[in-house]
Amino acid sequence: AQSVTQLGSHVSVSEGALVLLRCNYSSSVPPYLFWYVQYPNQGLQLLLKYTSAATLVKGINGFEAEFKKSETSFHLTKPSAHMSDAAEYFCASREGDAGGTSYGKLTFGQGTILTVHP
Amino acid sequence: DAGVIQSPRHEVTEMGQEVTLRCKPISGHNSLFWYRQTMMRGLELLIYFNNNVPIDDSGMPEDRFSAKMPNASFSTLKIQPSEPRDSAVYFCASSHQDPRTEAFFGQGTRLTVV
Repeated sequence: AQSVTQLGSHVSVSEGALVLLRCNYSSSVPPYLFWYVQYPNQGLQLLLKYTSAATLVKGINGFEAEFKKSETSFHLTKPSAHMSDAAEYFCASREGDAGGTSYGKLTFGQGTILTVHP
Repeated sequence: DAGVIQSPRHEVTEMGQEVTLRCKPISGHNSLFWYRQTMMRGLELLIYFNNNVPIDDSGMPEDRFSAKMPNASFSTLKIQPSEPRDSAVYFCASSHQDPRTEAFFGQGTRLTVV
């Protein structure tokens, strides 16, 4: 079964600083990976996704993530944090083995709360 | 499309009562997911459907929880009887079955059991 682990439940950065949110996956087959963002009292919104095309994926709001098979990682970065980036971020994986019993199953990591200081 | 629609947005009920949460997925999507979100346990997958058929319900906490998808445009999550520990935000999400596609989330139902 696939799973993702997010390192660090809370990350705090200053406005203008680099944002780095970590996600590692475990999978016996190539995974499909996603980053979502959740603002208070809202549902989750897609930031970006990796579907085995380019390993560097660009998303909305200046975020990007790089798929590294050798490290089983899919870390999310943004060069310069903005106050509006404060939210909770979730890494997710989706089962891609068409012969498996959980084909299409979407599971999430534990989430990382990003705080941005002025 | 209006997106994934969940109702009600808020529900307050007394312990022991039956609670039914509703979800209308995006038209054309054939996968539907129910999640529960709490501070302690994060975002948990309860059950998901492909083409109206339950594929994996291993996340359903216990027999008090049940979910149905009678057709492609409607799903329910029922808790009977409800308990205070069921208090959480419940999300419904839908997507195409292709695992390369993302899921779209509803706004959630905030359930409080007193």
